[in-house]
Amino acid sequence: GEQVEQLPSILRVQEGSSASINCSYEDSASNYFPWYKQEPGENPKLIIDIRSNMERKQIQELIVLLDKKAKRFSLHITDTQPGDSAMYFCAASDNAPRFGAGTKLSVKP
Amino acid sequence: AQTIHQWPVAEIKAVGSPLSLGCTIKGKSSPNLYWYWQATGGTLQQLFYSITVGQVESVVQLNLSASRPKDDQFILSTEKLLLSHSGFYLCAWSPDRGGEVFFGKGTRLTVV
Repeated sequence: GEQVEQLPSILRVQEGSSASINCSYEDSASNYFPWYKQEPGENPKLIIDIRSNMERKQIQELIVLLDKKAKRFSLHITDTQPGDSAMYFCAASDNAPRFGAGTKLSVKP
Repeated sequence: AQTIHQWPVAEIKAVGSPLSLGCTIKGKSSPNLYWYWQATGGTLQQLFYSITVGQVESVVQLNLSASRPKDDQFILSTEKLLLSHSGFYLCAWSPDRGGEVFFGKGTRLTVV
């Protein structure tokens, strides 16, 4: 199958701390791994992505790690702010992205 | 710049009634097009995708159908709505397979 598992489903952190979301995939043909952030009532928006030729990518406070052998990838948000509160979706893509179940992140001031 | 437009923004429909949701993409020729469905607080379930006019592949049907009558247009429809069809429908496009997917603003469907 082409399932993408995402954990945790709910994540509560204190402002200023780090938040980590982990995903795993089954399809070894997957070569593109985007992360989307979705605010309530809004459409998902790409925040960071990584391709299979990389192991690590950072954009400001966002870090993504990819372990192709283990078929796992993760998103780390450093120095979280209340504005980071949202739903986050990982995806693994060969022809079209398959999304994880989502993580509801709440950052407490 | 490419733009994606979905209509309507929201619908309240009766069980058993027909439905048609539309999506147009401007500024990009031959885009890959997708329909996703999202239950409240749920994941993004891919329903259909299309890589060219007249060709649509079903991933999960859910008693829905899709068509691509023009290069820039993608339609999602059903003749008889079920309560389980309620949710958020998102049209999306990508310039190529396996790349970034851009979502429309979605249609909120409530079946009563």
